[in-house]
Amino acid sequence: SAVISQKPSRDICQRGTSLTIQCQVDSQVTMMFWYRQQPGQSLTLIATANQGSEATYESGFVIDKFPISRPNLTFSTLTVSNMSPEDSSIYLCSVISTHQETQYFGPGTRLLVL
Amino acid sequence: QKEVEQNSGPLSVPEGAIASLNCTYSDRGSQSFFWYRQYSGKSPELIMFIYSNGDKEDGRFTAQLNKASQYVSLLIRDSQPSDSATYLCAKLGAGNNRKLIWGLGTSLAVNP
Repeated sequence: SAVISQKPSRDICQRGTSLTIQCQVDSQVTMMFWYRQQPGQSLTLIATANQGSEATYESGFVIDKFPISRPNLTFSTLTVSNMSPEDSSIYLCSVISTHQETQYFGPGTRLLVL
Repeated sequence: QKEVEQNSGPLSVPEGAIASLNCTYSDRGSQSFFWYRQYSGKSPELIMFIYSNGDKEDGRFTAQLNKASQYVSLLIRDSQPSDSATYLCAKLGAGNNRKLIWGLGTSLAVNP
């Protein structure tokens, strides 16, 4: 399976600020996704990161709040904009490798907004 | 009805017993199913996937799929305390977007 890294691994931020989370994969992947997992909850898909074009957002998530970039097949960023305490969560990058059907997760970014 | 349903638990089993985790789904046309394990504070890790009716075994884990009854289960034989985690069931959504539809997870506690 692909090796996935995320930066930062955790951060504490002030409300009203923005944080950009990076996801790097060690091999080319066909699909990249961004999830949010709030404490004690299951996974919620934010968007599919599309290479070279705008991300595809799920209901309840908008580009102004969660801008996503994917400039190539191995890298993507998610920005959490104008943060509020409700954005405190774990943000996870996941990928589907070329020639595979299964989805693998990065280690996650733990965000606390004060 | 949710697309993927799991009993939230906690499911508690003694060490060495068989843990049985169940998942039901609403779309009879669903084809592909996945079990992930998530330790507290960690990201989900894939345990098994299953596409065909019947059983699929991998070490101590067996996934069972019954499309007629619309359920998929995960059996863990010889349960160990290290198996204590939340187990997430997911199915591949419709269409070509390859998104997964997730259950809420079942918490498993294996008691020494």
